[in-house]
Amino acid sequence: GAVVSQHPSWVICKSGTSVKIECRSLDFQATTMFWYRQFPKQSLMLMATSNEGSKATYEQGVEKDKFLINHASLTLSTLTVTSAHPEDSSFYICSASSVANYGYTFGSGTRLTVV
Amino acid sequence: KQEVTQIPAALSVPEGENLVLNCSFTDSAIYNLQWFRQDPGKGLTSLLLIQSSQREQTSGRLNASLDKSSGRSTLYIAASQPGDSATYLCAVGAGSQGNLIFGKGTKLSVKP
Repeated sequence: GAVVSQHPSWVICKSGTSVKIECRSLDFQATTMFWYRQFPKQSLMLMATSNEGSKATYEQGVEKDKFLINHASLTLSTLTVTSAHPEDSSFYICSASSVANYGYTFGSGTRLTVV
Repeated sequence: KQEVTQIPAALSVPEGENLVLNCSFTDSAIYNLQWFRQDPGKGLTSLLLIQSSQREQTSGRLNASLDKSSGRSTLYIAASQPGDSATYLCAVGAGSQGNLIFGKGTKLSVKP
């Protein structure tokens, strides 16, 4: 079945630094990738939608200059949290879909802690 | 604006019981509805996907139903096992590109 690999699974960084999270579709081409964020006891909230080769579409309230998304190939999308602050600490998870993919395949998520 | 609500927020049952998890959504114009399982600190595992034209899907001990007109879906788990303990998420596909809107989940605990 379709597999999405997400790395790292957890990361601790100092306030002010940047963190990159990778999301790879291993056995299918992902034309669209989604990035979600989940705060404790809250539902997953869509941050942005990225299509291969084009700029990402951000949801209202998500700063595009802070959360940089790159979807340079059909198998890789990256989310970079720039100048991270403690309030950015959250669970980030990606999802990929393709024309041939039935349903949505999620990565295993990244637990980001900013200290 | 589409909102997804899951009831109950938490549920504890003894092993072997049959149980029902509920999901409701405010806008019936959905593309599909999907149930996921999330284990603590882990990603999501897709359980069942129901397209908007379908009324139910079954996989093993799981059965999910969809009633678009009333904005409801249920996930039925038969003969529950301790290994079923997890948070169950309901999500509706709200856009043509496939973005999902999630409920907050139901945390299920199955006691041996």
